Amino acid sequence: DAAVTQKPRYLIKMKGQEAEMKCIPEKGHTAVFWYQQKQSKELKFLIYFQNQQPLDQIDMVKERFSAVCPSSSLCSLGIRTCEAEDSALYLCSSSQDWGWDTGQLYFGEGSKLTVL
Amino acid sequence: GDSVTQTEGLVTLTEGLPVMLNCTYQSTYSPFLFWYVQHLNEAPKLLLKSFTDNKRPEHQGFHATLHKSSSSFHLQKSSAQLSDSALYYCALSGGSSGNKLIFGIGTLLSVKP
Repeated sequence: DAAVTQKPRYLIKMKGQEAEMKCIPEKGHTAVFWYQQKQSKELKFLIYFQNQQPLDQIDMVKERFSAVCPSSSLCSLGIRTCEAEDSALYLCSSSQDWGWDTGQLYFGEGSKLTVL
Repeated sequence: GDSVTQTEGLVTLTEGLPVMLNCTYQSTYSPFLFWYVQHLNEAPKLLLKSFTDNKRPEHQGFHATLHKSSSSFHLQKSSAQLSDSALYYCALSGGSSGNKLIFGIGTLLSVKP
């Protein structure tokens, strides 16, 4: 199994504070996705990178989040001003050959954000 | 844009009975379809993926057939096991929404002895 590493596993922020989560994709993987999961349910797409370039993202990310992949071995997802509704598990995933028959996403264990 | 529909939020079965989890999709093009499984406190993992040559994917006793005429990719297994209890997500990529992977809301499968 591929290994996608996410840090920290847990973070607690007060409303209005900034939050940052990091993801180390599997070596050699060129596609990186971030998802938000609330209450162990819906996996909500946030943003998709290919070769470190953001190719697609939802409006919420454009407006309140900051997401970058400064290198092929590190990506980060930040929330500029945390709100209660941001409390969720943030899952990072990566893929070596996304878009082809063999392409699949490998998920990390997630960073669980609690906003008080 | 593209969408994936999973009609059952919770499916409860007795061990040994057949499993069928529904998945239908809407897409302008011919997308790839996936099933991901997430066990409690674990990360989602790929279970099955559709192929461009229409082969039927199978894994761990599960299989799914892509029916383009009905836009469906239902997940099936002949005999449920206790260890199959998990959250199952149907997902789609390569349609009109581009290469992002869009998930359905998930179906929680609970297998009882």
